[in-house]
Amino acid sequence: DAKTTQPPSMDCAEGRAANLPCNHSTISGNEYVYWYRQIHSQGPQYIIHGLKNNETNEMASLIITEDRKSSTLILPHATLRDTAVYYCIVRVRGVIYNQGGKLIFGQGTELSVKP
Amino acid sequence: ETGVTQSPTHLIKTRGQQVTLRCSSQSGHNTVSWYQQALGQGPQFIFQYYREEENGRGNFPPRFSGLQFPNYSSELNVNALELDDSALYLCASSLVATDTQYFGPGTRLTVL
Repeated sequence: DAKTTQPPSMDCAEGRAANLPCNHSTISGNEYVYWYRQIHSQGPQYIIHGLKNNETNEMASLIITEDRKSSTLILPHATLRDTAVYYCIVRVRGVIYNQGGKLIFGQGTELSVKP
Repeated sequence: ETGVTQSPTHLIKTRGQQVTLRCSSQSGHNTVSWYQQALGQGPQFIFQYYREEENGRGNFPPRFSGLQFPNYSSELNVNALELDDSALYLCASSLVATDTQYFGPGTRLTVL
């Protein structure tokens, strides 16, 4: 079972920031938070990951709370092309064996960006 | 584009048949993971290959099998196809088993 909880759907106006929340209250100390998105049955696209510090890249920002029990993915200026299902995943890094850090997907959040 | 390619893009089979799906990993990546995604669901982990050895398996029956070649490309084989095997099959490659996984576009399998 997925170790994360996300709202099933969210709307966002084009040009505004999209803030997607994720709860992972049982996260372990060696588990990272990963975000992927999937546009209309294409392969999932990696967005960003982090351990405990906030992270930013060209696609998004990831804010992780101090207790690491929740996080928020921020798309600063959403466009229509950001309409997708967004998955928040916790996974181990640094462990090669024992299923090598498999990804366990939940249902994700379906983000609809509207004009 | 992730550099991960899959073939074929679409496939139609009948119950009881066998199918082979192929995945070419991104250059320099030695690990391939396979996932099954049923309609309306998130992807489910099938298994992972790391340096040509199976490195973990999800809750799938033995008729799902795989292979990884010396160039780190991979195959997923499914025997005795069932209707419920209809799904999008995704492969993902990573630099090593623990690194970020990058997905291919998937193969859509329909079993009639």
